[in-house]
Amino acid sequence: AQSVTQLDSQVPVFEEAPVELRCNYSSSVSVYLFWYVQYPNQGLQLLLKYLSGSTLVKGINGFEAEFNKSQTSFHLRKPSVHISDTAEYFCAVSDFTSGANNLFFGTGTRLTVIP
Amino acid sequence: EAGVAQSPRYKIIEKRQSVAFWCNPISGHATLYWYQQILGQGPKLLIQFQNNGVVDDSQLPKDRFSAERLKGVDSTLKIQPAKLEDSAVYLCASSRGTKSGNTIYFGEGSWLTVV
Repeated sequence: AQSVTQLDSQVPVFEEAPVELRCNYSSSVSVYLFWYVQYPNQGLQLLLKYLSGSTLVKGINGFEAEFNKSQTSFHLRKPSVHISDTAEYFCAVSDFTSGANNLFFGTGTRLTVIP
Repeated sequence: EAGVAQSPRYKIIEKRQSVAFWCNPISGHATLYWYQQILGQGPKLLIQFQNNGVVDDSQLPKDRFSAERLKGVDSTLKIQPAKLEDSAVYLCASSRGTKSGNTIYFGEGSWLTVV
């Protein structure tokens, strides 16, 4: 079974400051890793995903994440945030040995960018 | 390309009443998912279809929830009778296939309040 832990439920940060949203996972099998963003009253939008290859993954809107297998982490980073980045961010894993493509989500981190 | 369409966006019902949600996936996407997102939690998979067949419904409370995708395109999720704890956002999603790693695209969700 897989599980995802997002260590921070809320992260306030000033505009143009850097931010890191933390994600750790546990799984008995190898996984794919994802970050989704959810703006108010909207569905989830994929930011980036790690399937294989380079452990540093670049996504949309200037976000990037680094897969660290030894620490079972997939932290999301952005060097300079904007007001428009205020949203809920979800980390998710998918077991790539399964045929079902099910996503297991963390509980989310609410990023609030302060002007 | 049109996204995943869901209706209604908002619904308020009394407990023990019934409700149905409709979803139309992205054109050409064979796999359709229904997720439940309770306030403050990450989405949880209820059921996954591949065309008109069920791939995974292990987390669907079958005593009150049912879902169908009769023609392999759009889908309906029904709750009968509703309980207070069913208050949540019901997210429909789709992907090209069931293979793990396929990007899953989400609709804007149907917000259910049970009073």
